[in-house]
Amino acid sequence: KAGVTQTPRYLIKTRGQQVTLSCSPISGHRSVSWYQQTPGQGLQFLFEYFSETQRNKGNFPGRFSGRQFSNSRSEMNVSTLELGDSALYLCASSLRVRSYNEQFFGPGTRLTVL
Amino acid sequence: KNEVEQSPQNLTAQEGEFITINCSYSVGISALHWLQQHPGGGIVSLFMLSSGKKKHGRLIATINIQEKHSSLHITASHPRDSAVYICAVPHSGGGADGLTFGKGTHLIIQP
Repeated sequence: KAGVTQTPRYLIKTRGQQVTLSCSPISGHRSVSWYQQTPGQGLQFLFEYFSETQRNKGNFPGRFSGRQFSNSRSEMNVSTLELGDSALYLCASSLRVRSYNEQFFGPGTRLTVL
Repeated sequence: KNEVEQSPQNLTAQEGEFITINCSYSVGISALHWLQQHPGGGIVSLFMLSSGKKKHGRLIATINIQEKHSSLHITASHPRDSAVYICAVPHSGGGADGLTFGKGTHLIIQP
């Protein structure tokens, strides 16, 4: 069974631009969670989608948004990029709502904002 | 909001040593996760536990719900165990909730 895939793996953008990251969960998994990891703040929860609905959202500004499609693939979007958005963005999938289930992480997308 | 403290932050040990990493949290929880992150960023979920003890190979995770404390043990440590170990708990303790993460323990096992 294929693991969680994320595209692209690396991305360089400039301030003010927007970016869209993609996550394909393990086949059959309906929950996708997104996380941001920076050296200063560590891992932080962004949001979780289950059956195309956002179930939980972390403490991030509205510039961060996401969606999930009927095939469970998910995208996250960051608009008006800031230098501080440079981070490793990870997604994880699980069969059901995340906290009760083991999560399987993708390799991450490393975003650099110049 | 749950707060998570991990200790130690950094740990260097010799191959074969018994390793213990600790995690304390402030709000009662439904389940606690232990994660392993290797250089390069890949994260693997090691354990999810809500009570007692779980074992997988040389890794053992325990949790004391009353004391709001969990430990991750590695027996017969090996250089390939070198990684960052992170514990995570639900924000407010409930199941359908965002996760709060510890800062991680950087473990280096020297041959």
